[in-house]
Amino acid sequence: ETGVTQSPTHLIKTRGQQVTLRCSSQSGHNTVSWYQQALGQGPQFIFQYYREEENGRGNFPPRFSGLQFPNYSSELNVNALELDDSALYLCASSWSPVREQYFGPGTRLTVT
Amino acid sequence: AQSVTQPDIHITVSEGASLELRCNYSYGATPYLFWYVQSPGQGLQLLLKYFSGDTLVQGIKGFEAEFKRSQSSFNLRKPSVHWSDAAEYFCAVTLMDTGRRALTFGSGTRLQVQP
Repeated sequence: ETGVTQSPTHLIKTRGQQVTLRCSSQSGHNTVSWYQQALGQGPQFIFQYYREEENGRGNFPPRFSGLQFPNYSSELNVNALELDDSALYLCASSWSPVREQYFGPGTRLTVT
Repeated sequence: AQSVTQPDIHITVSEGASLELRCNYSYGATPYLFWYVQSPGQGLQLLLKYFSGDTLVQGIKGFEAEFKRSQSSFNLRKPSVHWSDAAEYFCAVTLMDTGRRALTFGSGTRLQVQP
């Protein structure tokens, strides 16, 4: 059984640019959640996708957007990057929105 | 406001000693509770979860946690720590009465293990 995978592992972008992060959910999982983890902090919920629809959103601006595909993989898009967007972005998948979440290794985004 | 507190930022224990990591939450409704572990530069691994039933739950790697409703706590314990347990530990909480399990995390406790 393949776990949650994320790509790329690391990314460096310039302020004002746009970025797309990718996540492949664990086999059998139909729900994907995205979290932002700043250095030295706990993860913060960005949004969740269930069967290709957004199923809740945290306190993040609209320039953070996402997609879920028919195979339940997902993308996180961030427009107009700011320096404070530098963080580890974690994807988690689950069998349903109400089941426990399993995390991928994360994508480390650095904005300069 | 809903919140999760991990009072200890950093804990150091000797290998073979017992461990207890504290977690307190502030929620108006009955929560689901989780402990995750994160090694440097890695994602989070689920150690254990509490949904309902027996308030003492067993997890992987020899960890256990006890839910105490009266104290709004969910402390993580291990009777004998191994050097490989050195990592960051996060308590997380979500509500039972929503159709979405957005996890709210504490700020983490970094565990250092001395030989």
